Order: sequence, then structure tokens, then C-alpha cells
Amino acid sequence: AQKVTQAQTEISVVEKEDVTLDCVYETRDTTYYLFWYKQPPSGELVFLIRRNSFDEQNEISGRYSWNFQKSTSSFNFTITASQVVDSAVYFCALSEEWAGYQKVTFGTGTKLQVIP
Amino acid sequence: EAQVTQNPRYLITVTGKKLTVTCSQNMNHEYMSWYRQDPGLGLRQIYYSMNVEVTDKGDVPEGYKVSRKEKRNFPLILESPSPNQTSLYFCASSRGGGTSNYEQYFGPGTRLTVT
Repeated sequence: AQKVTQAQTEISVVEKEDVTLDCVYETRDTTYYLFWYKQPPSGELVFLIRRNSFDEQNEISGRYSWNFQKSTSSFNFTITASQVVDSAVYFCALSEEWAGYQKVTFGTGTKLQVIP
Repeated sequence: EAQVTQNPRYLITVTGKKLTVTCSQNMNHEYMSWYRQDPGLGLRQIYYSMNVEVTDKGDVPEGYKVSRKEKRNFPLILESPSPNQTSLYFCASSRGGGTSNYEQYFGPGTRLTVT
């Protein structure tokens, strides 16, 4: 069975600090996809990144970067020079596909508070 | 505008009174899904649908029903709601399935209270 663990329930940082959100996953599949979503205080869920299991390249998008390591089953998310607008709950998710079916498992989320 | 819509956004009901939460997407997506969000538990998948007339259980399907008669609509049915189904519900859709699993687009959420 697939599982996603976000061990950090809440993190507080001061504005301009860097912060890393951890995500550890379990899956028996060799083909799978990992995602990060952001849920700001307004409540909507916003897609941030998608990564497949065959692509271990790290990715950078502005102040956001992602470190995917299959050896440790981790897909960590780093925000550089955090800003108040980064305050949100961040979810990591895992999607497996087998026999034409596609199940998605989310982690329990990490609430990030950026203090001005 | 590409979007996923849910109705109603807020609902207070009583135990046992059947209700339906509608979900519609205008992106011609094959994949649709329902989640519930509870404090400390994150989002948990209730049901999903790979395409019209193709549905399957997620992690927490008990007490819920779904149907996918049209590609754009994926209603969530609670035949006999109970207080433990009080939650925030999200509908989502995405492209494809098949050999690639794509990001999901979420509706605004439906906050359900069952008394």
C-alpha cells in the first residue's frame, strides 16, 4: 500500500529564512508520481510540482526547489528567502497507476508560518 | 475559465437525510476524484473515476456513493449521513491516467456539517 509521511506538522520561520519541508513516501511500484500542493489560508488547493519516478533531477522554480531522492524515498521541498505569502499548508502526494487505475495518497500536510 | 465547481459550498444537515454534493469540470478531464479533509489527517481519497462509468474506491469510501454518467460531472452522494462525515470535501479533476498521472485541479471545497 502506498503511504506518504510528512513528519513536520507545523513550522515557523522568520521572513527571509530558508525552510525545507520533508516528504517521505512508500510504494511498491516502480512507476509513480509525486506532487506538492499548497493550501493558503483562503482554503483552495494549488498545484506546485509533479515529478515521475524516473526523473530524479532536482528542480528549481524561483524561490522554490525540490530534491527528489529515490534512494531515501524522499521528495523534499525548500523555500528560499521565505515570505509571508508562503504561509500555508503544504501537502505532498503520491500517485500510483496500475491496471488502468490511479489512486492518490496525500500526506497529512505541513503548516508553514512565516513571521514578518 | 478552466475550473472545477462544487455545490453547495456550505451545508448543514441532520443525520440520515440523504444529500448530494455536485462537482463539475469544464476541462474535458478524464480523471475525477473526491477527497475529505480533516484536521491532522490531511486529504483522504474517497472515490475516484478514471472515465465515464469507471469508478473505484479510495481509502475512505464507507458511507459514500458516486456516479460518473457524464465526463464533466462527478456527484458525491451520502445516502444516510452521520456526524462522522462532518468534514471539508474537495472534488478534483485531471488529465488522463493511463501511463501518466497528472496534477489535479481542485474545486473550492464544500464544508459539510452533520448534526
